[in-house]
Amino acid sequence: GAVVSQHPSRVICKSGTSVKIECRSLDFQATTMFWYRQFPKQSLMLMATSNEGSKATYEQGVEKDKFLINHASLTLSTLTVTSAHPEDSSFYICSAPGPNYEQYFGPGTRLTVT
Amino acid sequence: GDSVTQMEGPVTLSEEACLTINCTYTATGYPSLFWYVQYPGEGLQLLLKATKADDKGSNKGFEATYRKETTSFHLEKGSVQVSDSAVYFCALSDIVLTGGGNKLTFGTGTQLKVEL
Repeated sequence: GAVVSQHPSRVICKSGTSVKIECRSLDFQATTMFWYRQFPKQSLMLMATSNEGSKATYEQGVEKDKFLINHASLTLSTLTVTSAHPEDSSFYICSAPGPNYEQYFGPGTRLTVT
Repeated sequence: GDSVTQMEGPVTLSEEACLTINCTYTATGYPSLFWYVQYPGEGLQLLLKATKADDKGSNKGFEATYRKETTSFHLEKGSVQVSDSAVYFCALSDIVLTGGGNKLTFGTGTQLKVEL
């Protein structure tokens, strides 16, 4: 079946630094990928839609200059959290659509900003 | 806009008890409906899906029927196990409006705890 990977699975960084999270579709191509943020005991909040070869589409209230998304190839999308602050600490999840309207989710990246 | 409402948890059941997690939705197009499961420390996994009215999705003993008349997609299992303990998310994808982009709208999730 289709597999989506994320790297790293966990990252701890200092306030003010930037962190890059990778999302890869391992055995299929994805012209679109989605980035979600999940707070403890809450649902997934869609942050942005990553489009291969073009600019990402951000949801209302998501700062595009803070959460930089690059979809450079049909199998890779990256999310860079710039100038991270403790309030950016969260669980970030990506997904990519496969056949039959299914979304395949990555295992998530736990970001902790100290 | 699209929205999904599901019952709040946590739901605590004894092993072999019956499970129902309610889910209702609002959508302006013709959505596909999904249940995703998130086990502790893991990412989301698709549990089951239904793409049109009256379809029944099923997997691992779980079932849900797409009810257009009541805009519902309740998750059911006749006999739960300890290993079913997880968070369950109801979601919809409105293909018509998103042009096949498959953007998902999630409910808030329901935590299920199954005890011996």
